[in-house]
Amino acid sequence: DSGVTQTPKHLITATGQRVTLRCSPRSGDLSVYWYQQSLDQGLQFLIQYYNGEERAKGNILERFSAQQFPDLHSELNLSSLELGDSALYFCASSQSTGARMGGYTFGSGTRLTVV
Amino acid sequence: GQQVMQIPQYQHVQEGEDFTTYCNSSTTLSNIQWYKQRPGGHPVFLIQLVKSGEVKKQKRLTFQFGEAKKNSSLHITATQTTDVGTYFCAGPNYGGSQGNLIFGKGTKLSVKP
Repeated sequence: DSGVTQTPKHLITATGQRVTLRCSPRSGDLSVYWYQQSLDQGLQFLIQYYNGEERAKGNILERFSAQQFPDLHSELNLSSLELGDSALYFCASSQSTGARMGGYTFGSGTRLTVV
Repeated sequence: GQQVMQIPQYQHVQEGEDFTTYCNSSTTLSNIQWYKQRPGGHPVFLIQLVKSGEVKKQKRLTFQFGEAKKNSSLHITATQTTDVGTYFCAGPNYGGSQGNLIFGKGTKLSVKP
């Protein structure tokens, strides 16, 4: 157990639907990051939150949105799902941000399959 | 935009052989990190290098950060089947001001017993 909790572990849904992925960061970590991992595509940065505020956006589609709540857990909302959205979605957390960030702690991921 | 590239994409070795993966950034990095992802698992942080020319060792793993802080390497001596997985390097995005990382596409290592 890495300390970062992601739910659900698996999700199968139809095209056009909307899903919500949830992440609880490791205790004490203020930064939360979302990454998408497609087959042979590595880890693509989607979005970053720090202590409740959005810090940076990566290659996140307009159909996707996220937020971090006061208790620091985060949710990634994916809407109007397409077949190409099928991927592993990882949440990671770190104590701080910037130069003192240190390593990420990743959750076990949510495998999304769009059919 | 900023890119982090890794070679090779795949490496197949016989158990006991050495393995090296190389990482190159399009920009100078304030630090570089390495992660390992076992098959079916999630990335796990291995190490962070900060100083130019820095070399760090973890048992059979040797990590090096280039003098220009634009490249790095991971060398595994005498591979074991437990080393199987994908090794990613990652560098800070936005010059490190935001804290998020750009990951290379990884080198997938397979070890034949």
